Amino acid sequence: GEDVEQSLFLSVREGDSSVINCTYTDSSSTYLYWYKQEPGAGLQLLTYIFSNMDMKQDQRLTVLLNKKDKHLSLRIADTQTGDSAIYFCAERYSSASKIIFGSGTRLSIRP
Amino acid sequence: KAGVTQTPRYLIKTRGQQVTLSCSPISGHRSVSWYQQTPGQGLQFLFEYFSETQRNKGNFPGRFSGRQFSNSRSEMNVSTLELGDSALYLCASSYRGQENQPQHFGDGTRLSIL
Repeated sequence: GEDVEQSLFLSVREGDSSVINCTYTDSSSTYLYWYKQEPGAGLQLLTYIFSNMDMKQDQRLTVLLNKKDKHLSLRIADTQTGDSAIYFCAERYSSASKIIFGSGTRLSIRP
Repeated sequence: KAGVTQTPRYLIKTRGQQVTLSCSPISGHRSVSWYQQTPGQGLQFLFEYFSETQRNKGNFPGRFSGRQFSNSRSEMNVSTLELGDSALYLCASSYRGQENQPQHFGDGTRLSIL
């Protein structure tokens, strides 16, 4: 079946690292994505990882994929107030053109 | 390069009316997908168009329809509007809709049904 799960909230102190976790159920997923949504805006693609990769780093963002456990994480280093948003994990499998989204994790930054 | 453009940004309609939303993809992108976002159901896939043909469809009633024009612009239509259709409707485009081509989203059209 198709299901992507995320925790709903995460609160992090400014300057610390944020780690947002996600689990998915479809083992045939080929690509996994992280999107960011700020209030009143659409979804901004942050990064994505192909399923044969374990890790991908892009500036402050690190994505880790554990395919055996179907677990994906997004680490944001040196979290800033501008990182406050909802972060969506999403999966896509090769047989379909649609993306299945998680419910989103609301990241709040405290001073 | 301009991003995905959705118009209008906001719409207010009443029950029973119909509505048409528009999406202009990134230049060169030929695949357009539509999603509905609500607080209760989250982000749900509506349909995808490629080369003026619907290629994939989600689990929505027939009141939801769409089309794509030869310039890849797409429209989505909802007929006989219901209160539950209040949502943010997001459009996403990619080059050919293939799995290694990420979808880029517009800012959405917020539809409110009174």
